[in-house]
Amino acid sequence: GAGVSQSPSNKVTEKGKDVELRCDPISGHTALYWYRQRLGQGLEFLIYFQGNSAPDKSGLPSDRFSAERTGESVSTLTIQRTQQEDSAVYLCASSLSSSYNEQFFGPGTRLTVL
Amino acid sequence: AQSVSQHNHHVILSEAASLELGCNYSYGGTVNLFWYVQYPGQHLQLLLKYFSGDPLVKGIKGFEAEFIKSKFSFNLRKPSVQWSDTAEYFCAVNAGGTGGSYIPTFGRGTSLIVHP
Repeated sequence: GAGVSQSPSNKVTEKGKDVELRCDPISGHTALYWYRQRLGQGLEFLIYFQGNSAPDKSGLPSDRFSAERTGESVSTLTIQRTQQEDSAVYLCASSLSSSYNEQFFGPGTRLTVL
Repeated sequence: AQSVSQHNHHVILSEAASLELGCNYSYGGTVNLFWYVQYPGQHLQLLLKYFSGDPLVKGIKGFEAEFIKSKFSFNLRKPSVQWSDTAEYFCAVNAGGTGGSYIPTFGRGTSLIVHP
């Protein structure tokens, strides 16, 4: 595709519900990254994929967070039993490879947990 | 572990003023350095990057940054800002060689407002 796309753009959910966020990286980009950006804060690294494997999951804040990537393309970030502190913009980025690391960002998903 | 500090969280300037945004990092090895910009309502996008070579890097829209290894710094500059430069600016660093993390570490960001 022309750029990284994410869906939905906005998600409002009730505390305790599960949510699934989707990322479509640029075609041919093998590396994919998820970040969280809270209001007024920098980007907080969550997880990184090289191909379909996730060599670095160190940023996932709790076991309620998980992510998968299939077919070296689409990735989904799942948050189970959402809490109010999960409210943030979730950004996805892709790059040609992990060692060529100029990242291309998607528009983000704004998650609000009521 | 890598870390990035952006000292100015909010900067307000008038058009034609000069800009310098500070960025310091901590990592002892070879680094790749980036500045990203997020204009209101738009995606984060790359402004400029340093991998190796000339430490003075020129980016889009008249921005430049200088890598000073001895100071662990990569400050962003523009001689004369425009109203359209109003945006959020993020500095990022990751290990450029083996042994470090390819995952970029981002600074907290600097919000720049330029008054016409």
